Amino acid sequence: GQNIDQPTEMTATEGAIVQINCTYQTSGFNGLFWYQQHAGEAPTFLSYNVLDGLEEKGRFSSFLSRSKGYSYLLLKELQMKDSASYLCAVSGAGSYQLTFGKGTKLSVIP
Amino acid sequence: EADIYQTPRYLVIGTGKKITLECSQTMGHDKMYWYQQDPGMELHLIHYSYGVNSTEKGDLSSESTVSRIRTEHFPLTLESARPSHTSQYLCASSVDYGYTFGSGTRLTVV
Repeated sequence: GQNIDQPTEMTATEGAIVQINCTYQTSGFNGLFWYQQHAGEAPTFLSYNVLDGLEEKGRFSSFLSRSKGYSYLLLKELQMKDSASYLCAVSGAGSYQLTFGKGTKLSVIP
Repeated sequence: EADIYQTPRYLVIGTGKKITLECSQTMGHDKMYWYQQDPGMELHLIHYSYGVNSTEKGDLSSESTVSRIRTEHFPLTLESARPSHTSQYLCASSVDYGYTFGSGTRLTVV
């Protein structure tokens, strides 16, 4: 089975940097994904990590350590529109399905 | 521009009715998925398909059924809706790892 943990809620200030952590336990590993989901909307893809290290994409970066079962999503220069839930998801061995964490609700305040 | 379409967007229906939630994608993806998501909760996989005439149940027990007779179409059917089926239903598709989600159907059974 798979188990994914991430904080339930976080609050950060506009213009600041925030790091959202995700730990996972999985039987086999084919990659870790981060999605953004605004209230009432469908998730949208942010990043994909399959090898250890940092992947940078504009204001968003994602880090993976497979040996520690750990990932984080880093959001820089926070904007009000970044207020959303951020979902960590893992693909296990021999499977294309994603198992999602409960999501971290980020509130960006002025 | 959406490449995966779900209809209806919202649906309110009485107990005992039969309903079909539609999902179509124009990307030629062979893998398609249905997830159920209650407000503020994680996504749970209820059905998936890796190609035409191939369907499997997901991790979450569901009274719904699916079919896949065309690559682009993956409808979900509830034979007899109950209030416990009230939820958001999200359809997704993929080539390999990582999904593109539809906008979702928010179902309310009264």
